[in-house]
Amino acid sequence: DIQMTQSPSSLPASLGDRVTITCRASQDIGNYLRWFQQKPGKSPRLMIYGATNLAAGVPSRFSGSRSGSDYSLTISSLESEDMADYYCLQSKESPFTFGSGTKLEIK
Amino acid sequence: VQLVESGGGLVQPGKSLKLSCSASGFTFSSYGMHWIRQAPGKGLDWVAYISSSSGTVYADAVKGRFTISRDNAKNTLYLQLNSLKSEDTAIYYCARYGYNYWGQGVMVTVSS
Repeated sequence: DIQMTQSPSSLPASLGDRVTITCRASQDIGNYLRWFQQKPGKSPRLMIYGATNLAAGVPSRFSGSRSGSDYSLTISSLESEDMADYYCLQSKESPFTFGSGTKLEIK
Repeated sequence: VQLVESGGGLVQPGKSLKLSCSASGFTFSSYGMHWIRQAPGKGLDWVAYISSSSGTVYADAVKGRFTISRDNAKNTLYLQLNSLKSEDTAIYYCARYGYNYWGQGVMVTVSS
């Protein structure tokens, strides 16, 4: 099975900061990588698909990138509404696997 | 697009439960569907997928115990949970292929 190693698990940051969350795939997954945002008590929301494509309605301060087997989600200038948990997901092959999550919180 | 889960509740270990996900606002028969779960205070855990042609795949932790199915005439997705364990306690979400639409989730608690 493909393992997704996500870091950091917790990320204290200030409003206006540029922040980056990373997932490393244990095998080649091409661009079959999605990023999700989840706020407390809510269902996950798709943010990025195909490693670099912004989902509908997602603010342009969010972006996705890939370097080899490392995938990153970057928020260019943190806003208060971005405080949430973030997860990556590989959908290259089943069983599909999520990263362990990153809690983005105010410093 | 709307996805509404139902059928959750408290169940004893070893027992069974059947979850439903009622879909509306799109042509249900044309889309694959996923079940994803989240244990209390934990991360997301992919459970199962059924394609539009009813091909299925499962996570290792549920293979042989859970069965995903669909009724296109009723626009409904199902998850049959058998031989339940305490570690199956979670919120269960259904999501459409592509993961851009999710239900609100339904809680399953496995406890004696």
